[in-house]
Amino acid sequence: DAGVIQSPRHEVTEMGQEVTLRCKPISGHDYLFWYRQTMMRGLELLIYFNNNVPIDDSGMPEDRFSAKMPNASFSTLKIQPSEPRDSAVYFCASTSLGDNEQFFGPGTRLTVL
Amino acid sequence: DAKTTQPPSMDCAEGRAANLPCNHSTISGNEYVYWYRQIHSQGPQYIIHGLKNNETNEMASLIITEDRKSSTLILPHATLRDTAVYYCIVSLSWGKLQFGAGTQVVVTP
Repeated sequence: DAGVIQSPRHEVTEMGQEVTLRCKPISGHDYLFWYRQTMMRGLELLIYFNNNVPIDDSGMPEDRFSAKMPNASFSTLKIQPSEPRDSAVYFCASTSLGDNEQFFGPGTRLTVL
Repeated sequence: DAKTTQPPSMDCAEGRAANLPCNHSTISGNEYVYWYRQIHSQGPQYIIHGLKNNETNEMASLIITEDRKSSTLILPHATLRDTAVYYCIVSLSWGKLQFGAGTQVVVTP
């Protein structure tokens, strides 16, 4: 398996624009997590899904952020409108009930100018 | 979840064992101790986890004190590729992980 795939790897956009980050989990995994990492706040869990259903979105910073998982092999994290303080590295991770670990993707580095 | 306390940084000589401490004095009876590491510009990587007993795998060993208030991750023969931030996390499961600041480990030749 190729592991967790995230796209794009780098995104530069201007304040006010819509940004969509994408994630393909490892095949067979039924849990998917979105994290955000900044120097100030470290690595934070934003939301996670089980069987495509959002289970806990308490980490989502505000209404500008939304996440979807239309099927078992794809998830998106959308920011609309984006702001400079959203600049961070966003990681996606997946796992299954029988595993003891989360498998992380390479991350998307987002810069909002 | 209980919080953990780790030293912000530590150095280790290549080939020597690296012993990374972690305090988790408020851990509850059913919480596990997880260790992840993050190499620069990569996503975090699982290393090992344990509940009460010491654990060993191909990457590291985890020593948990009898009162479970602290633990030590041991990298038996550190290599330059082990340079990373190491996170000690206490959690009920692998699901909702709360990453702290971790320990920046630098392995030197």
